[in-house]
Amino acid sequence: EAQVTQNPRYLITVTGKKLTVTCSQNMNHEYMSWYRQDPGLGLRQIYYSMNVEVTDKGDVPEGYKVSRKEKRNFPLILESPSPNQTSLYFCASSDGRLLYEQYFGPGTRLTVT
Amino acid sequence: GQQVMQIPQYQHVQEGEDFTTYCNSSTTLSNIQWYKQRPGGHPVFLIQLVKSGEVKKQKRLTFQFGEAKKNSSLHITATQTTDVGTYFCARPSGGYQKVTFGIGTKLQVIP
Repeated sequence: EAQVTQNPRYLITVTGKKLTVTCSQNMNHEYMSWYRQDPGLGLRQIYYSMNVEVTDKGDVPEGYKVSRKEKRNFPLILESPSPNQTSLYFCASSDGRLLYEQYFGPGTRLTVT
Repeated sequence: GQQVMQIPQYQHVQEGEDFTTYCNSSTTLSNIQWYKQRPGGHPVFLIQLVKSGEVKKQKRLTFQFGEAKKNSSLHITATQTTDVGTYFCARPSGGYQKVTFGIGTKLQVIP
C-alpha cells in the first residue's frame, strides 16, 4: 500500500531535549516536505527536499533541521525544542511528474512543556 | 512567502444546503490545489487547477480558477455530513518547490 508513515504519532517532551520525528514514504517520490499545523494559521511549510541531499527552507524553518540521506526518508530534527514548537506536524511526499499532488502522513502531535 | 487569502474561515450549513469557499491572491498563480482534511485526519489532495477560467467537477464538488488566475473557488452542492472537514487551497511557488496553504475553511454540516 502506498503510504507516508510518521513516528512517533504523539510525543510529549520537555524544553531543550533533542528529538527526531521520522518520515518515510514507499512511493519512490523525489519531493518531500514538512509542515506544521496550528489553529488559525493553517499549514505552514517548514522544510522541503527535492531529492537526496537537496533540502531548502520553507516559510517557518527556525528551530528545525532536516536531512535527506535516502530517498525514502526525511526526518525532522528539533535540536532544542521550545514550547512554541508545540504543534501538529505533517510530512508529505510528491512525485513531481504527477501534478505535484502531495500525499500526507498521519501527523505527529508534539507537546513541548 | 507569497500569501493566499481564504474565506470564510468557518461555515455552518444545514445538510442539503450549498457551500462555497474562496481563495484569493494578489499575484497571478501558476496553478492552485485544493485539499480536504477530515477532523482528526490528514490533508488529502482533491484537485489541481492550471488553466485560466478552468472549471472541474468531482461529483457534487465544483472547482473554478479565475480568468486572471488570481482566485479560485470550491463549491459543494447539497452538502452531506460526509463533507464535514477543513478545505484548504494551496499555491505552489518557486517552481513547485515551496507551497503556501490558505488558512482553510472549516465546514460543519448540521443534519
